[in-house]
Amino acid sequence: ETGVTQSPTHLIKTRGQQVTLRCSSQSGHNTVSWYQQALGQGPQFIFQYYREEENGRGNFPPRFSGLQFPNYSSELNVNALELDDSALYLCASSLRGDYGYTFGSGTRLTVV
Amino acid sequence: AQKITQTQPGMFVQEKEAVTLDCTYDTSDPSYGLFWYKQPSSGEMIFLIYQGSYDQQNATEGRYSLNFQKARKSANLVISASQLGDSAMYFCAMREGGGYNKLIFGAGTRLAVHP
Repeated sequence: ETGVTQSPTHLIKTRGQQVTLRCSSQSGHNTVSWYQQALGQGPQFIFQYYREEENGRGNFPPRFSGLQFPNYSSELNVNALELDDSALYLCASSLRGDYGYTFGSGTRLTVV
Repeated sequence: AQKITQTQPGMFVQEKEAVTLDCTYDTSDPSYGLFWYKQPSSGEMIFLIYQGSYDQQNATEGRYSLNFQKARKSANLVISASQLGDSAMYFCAMREGGGYNKLIFGAGTRLAVHP
């Protein structure tokens, strides 16, 4: 079974730009969650998608948005990038109702 | 409010010794799950061990065991026979019962294993 794959691995963007991060979920998983991990901190929950709909959201502004596709892969979009958006973005897939989560290796975003 | 507290920013241990990483949690939900993850410098969160709030026995997975004290709301990770490859960040996390699978993480503990 394949794990969770995230792309790209690293990205540098300019303040005010928009970015799209991608995640393919583990085979058999139907739920995808996104987390933001600032340097030296624990991951913070951004939102979760189940059956192509947002199913829960953390304390992040609307410029953070996402999509889930029929094959359960997902995108995280961030508009109007700010310097504080610089972080490691982690994607985790899971099967709804199960406690197992599989994380990807993350996308390291730097906003300059 | 749900919260995870890890009070040890850094720990070090000699190779082959045991080490305990502390974690306390706060929740009003009777149904919850507690996780420990390892994060090497590569960034990936590696699942180590899980404890459900209704589990009667402490969880164990190989060299990892979870010292679950429900009344104290603590879920400490014990790593036995430390190895050099155990050097990493360790995060305690909690998921409450309910409709979706949100994880709340602590700030983490950096473990250094010395030869």
